[in-house]
This record gives sequence, C-alpha cells and structure tokens, in this order.
Amino acid sequence: QVHLVESGGGVAQPGRSLRLSCAASGFTFSSYAMHWVRRAPGQGLEWVAFISYDVGKQYYADSVKGRFTISRDNSKNILYLHMNSLRTEDTAVYYCARDLYEGVVAATGVDVWGRGTVVTVSS
Amino acid sequence: SYELTQPPSVSVSPGQTARITCSGDALPKQYAYWYQQKTGQAPVLVIYKDSERPSGIPERFSGSSSGTTVTLTISGVQAEDEADYYCQSVDSSGTYVIFGGGTKLTVL
Repeated sequence: QVHLVESGGGVAQPGRSLRLSCAASGFTFSSYAMHWVRRAPGQGLEWVAFISYDVGKQYYADSVKGRFTISRDNSKNILYLHMNSLRTEDTAVYYCARDLYEGVVAATGVDVWGRGTVVTVSS
Repeated sequence: SYELTQPPSVSVSPGQTARITCSGDALPKQYAYWYQQKTGQAPVLVIYKDSERPSGIPERFSGSSSGTTVTLTISGVQAEDEADYYCQSVDSSGTYVIFGGGTKLTVL
C-alpha cells in the first residue's frame, strides 16, 4: 500500500528554521516527482515546492522562494523541506504529495497525499 | 501571475446535481485536476486530466472542459460529498503549480 508520512512539524519563532521530512513506502520513490503543499488556517490549499524524480529540477512558489529548499534522498525514500527565515504566515498544515506520473521533470497533478504535519510560527 | 477562479460556495439538496466551475487563462493548454478535502483530512484526487476519474472514485463524479473553464459535476449528491473542492493546474512550462481558491460544497 502506498504511504506518505510527514514529520518534523512543531512550533518555531519567527526567523528560525525547521526541517520537515516525509517517509515514502509502497512504491518506487525514486521514479516519482514529489511536492509539498500547505493549508493555512482558514485558507485554501497552496502549492509550496516541487522536485523532479531525479533531483535535477526544483521549483518553488514565490511566497517561499529563497527561504525554503526541497530535497530528497532516493536511497532512503525520504523527501525533505528545509524552512529558513520562518514567518508567521508560514503557519499551516504541510502535506507531502506524489506527482501523478513516473519519470517527470515538470509538475502535473497529485495522486497520493500524506496526512500532514502542523507548523506553527509564533513568538 | 496565473490564477484559477472558483466560486466560494455551492449548495445543493441531496440527490441533486452540483456543478463547480474553475476559470483560468491557461486551462485551454494545460490539464486541470480536482481534489476533495473533508474537514481534518488530507485532500483526495477525484478527477485528473480534465475528465478522467481515478479508480475508487464514485461514478457520480465527472469533469469537463470548455475553453478557459473546467467544471466538476457531482450527480446525485450525497451527504458524504460535503467538503471543500479545489481545482489545480500548472503554468505553460510546468514549473509553477496553482490551486484555485476552493469551493465549499454544502449539502442542505
């Protein structure tokens, strides 16, 4: 069965850093592009970042560009989101998600989602 | 910047048909995807590539496309369909993913 399990969320002060992890199982992780998507309280879904299956391409939303870094370890089946210079508006549930198609370097849609991890940025 | 526009809310009675629209300039060139998100749960893909239905999604969910608008149709709405629905697409180069603002479906 395909599973994505996020971890690493918590409370951080503005300006500090956090690293989220997503453990993948039940599929060939190294063959799929991956995304991070978030939902802030009272808001809708917001795409955060994408990484291609081969780590060659990373794309970011304007709201996080220069502060967040998406990465992956295909030998450990883990996706990461390194979040620096956190702001109160980064408070959200962060979801790890799998792109629909194998072997893509451009984003499409998402067919598998984790249950999310909560990040709260507050002083 | 590229935007996808959805109505904030749609209300229907059980058994009726709900239609949720999503408009965006790039939709004639890029596929749309639809997600259902119930309170406290992760989103679920209900339609991909404008009109394809993933396995396990009930047949009452369908999608269509016309020009700059895509539509999610739920026929014979059931109480369990009450949720937030989001359309999603990408820019022309596939480097930027965009979600619509979401539509809250209320089953009266």
